[in-house]
Amino acid sequence: QVQLVQSGAEVKKPGASVKVSCKASGYTFSGYYMHWVRQAPGQGLEWLGWINPDSGGTNYAQKFQGRVTMTRDTSISTAYLELSRLRSDDTAVYYCATSTTVGPTCFDYWGQGTLVTVSS
Amino acid sequence: DIQLTQSPSFLSASVGDRVTITCRASQGIRSYLAWYQQKPGKAPKLLIYAASTLQSGVPSRFSGSGSGTEFTLTISSLQPEDFATYYCQQFNSYLYTFGQGTKLEIK
Repeated sequence: QVQLVQSGAEVKKPGASVKVSCKASGYTFSGYYMHWVRQAPGQGLEWLGWINPDSGGTNYAQKFQGRVTMTRDTSISTAYLELSRLRSDDTAVYYCATSTTVGPTCFDYWGQGTLVTVSS
Repeated sequence: DIQLTQSPSFLSASVGDRVTITCRASQGIRSYLAWYQQKPGKAPKLLIYAASTLQSGVPSRFSGSGSGTEFTLTISSLQPEDFATYYCQQFNSYLYTFGQGTKLEIK
């Protein structure tokens, strides 16, 4: 069965960077894009971008360009999200998500989420 | 970027009611529209994709319709487990956005 298991909660100071991991299992990791979505406390869902695990190619939402980097390590079926120059409004739960059965237009599997808290 | 506007933002209903949530896109997105259900502290769950295709395992009381710029999610007879927040999401040229959400509460 498909599983996405994310790294644990992080607390960071403003201006720092954070790196969140997402380990995939139960499917061919390199065959499906991995997306990152975040949700600030009490707010809605916000898409950050995707990485093609096969090629390493990426596509980021314009809002995050210059601050976000998505990478992957195919040897351990793990995707990474790095967000730099953190601000207090980056405090959110960050999810990885993929689509293995329903095509590239939506997300059928999600990680459990990683809470990133930005506070001085 | 394509914007999605959901209405209403809040909805109060009773078990057994039929409810409809609308999602409007700022430009045409053909049928590239999905619906998710999210409960507190949990990841979103895919309900509907391609505007009207029911995801495997999702009860048939959920249905979706629409194309272009206007879409609806209908729950035919609310069950206690359906009280949650619902989001629409669009795909266009490998860019994605979500609606702001509709919180469905028990009346």
